[in-house]
Amino acid sequence: AQSVAQPEDQVNVAEGNPLTVKCTYSVSGNPYLFWYVQYPNRGLQFLLKYITGDNLVKGSYGFEAEFNKSQTSFHLKKPSALVSDSALYFCAVRDKVGTYKYIFGTGTRLKVLA
Amino acid sequence: EPEVTQTPSHQVTQMGQEVILRCVPISNHLYFYWYRQILGQKVEFLVSFYNNEISEKSEIFDDQFSVERPDGSNFTLKIRSTKLEDSAMYFCAIPGQGGGVQYFGPGTRLTVL
Repeated sequence: AQSVAQPEDQVNVAEGNPLTVKCTYSVSGNPYLFWYVQYPNRGLQFLLKYITGDNLVKGSYGFEAEFNKSQTSFHLKKPSALVSDSALYFCAVRDKVGTYKYIFGTGTRLKVLA
Repeated sequence: EPEVTQTPSHQVTQMGQEVILRCVPISNHLYFYWYRQILGQKVEFLVSFYNNEISEKSEIFDDQFSVERPDGSNFTLKIRSTKLEDSAMYFCAIPGQGGGVQYFGPGTRLTVL
C-alpha cells in the first residue's frame, strides 16, 4: 500500500532562515506527490505537486519541493522563512493510478520564530 | 483556485443523532471527496463520489455514512447515528488543476457529546 511519512512532528526555525519539512514516500509505480498547508481553523490549501519532470517543483508563497527518487523523498523547502509560514504542513500521495484518493502524512507543525 | 464552502462550520450533536454536513462548490463539479481529521491526527480519506455514485470508499466509511447530491449543486455527507469517535473535522474537496490536485473546503467541526 502507498504511504507517506513525515518524521518530524514539529520544526522550529528562525525568521529569515531556510526551512525544510521532510517527507518520504513508499509507492508502487510513479508517485503523484503533493504538499498542503493548514492554518488554524482553516481547510487545507494546496501548495505544490510533483507528477513528472523537473525534480525541483516551485509552488505557492515561495515554497518549493525537491523530488528525490533514490531517497524516496519529497522535502518541502523555502529559502527564507516568514513568521506567517507558521502552520501545519501535510505531505500526500495519490493512492494509485486511476484513483483520486489521497494518502496523507501525519503532518508537521512549522513554527517560525521572530 | 476553485472555491468550496461547507456548512455548518461547527455542529454539536448528541450521540446517536443524525447529522448532515453540506459542501457547495462554486462551480459545477461531478467529482467530490470527503475526508476527516480527528483532532491532532492526520487527514483520512472517507469517500469519493462521481456523477451521483460512490466511486471509492475507505474502511472508515461504513453503513453509518452516506453521501448524496440532493439537488444537483451541493453535496452532503450524512452520519446516521453518531458516535463519540465521529468527532472530527470533516472536509470536502473537489478536483482542481490536472494531476490529481484537490481543493479543500474550510471544513465542518463535528462534536459528538
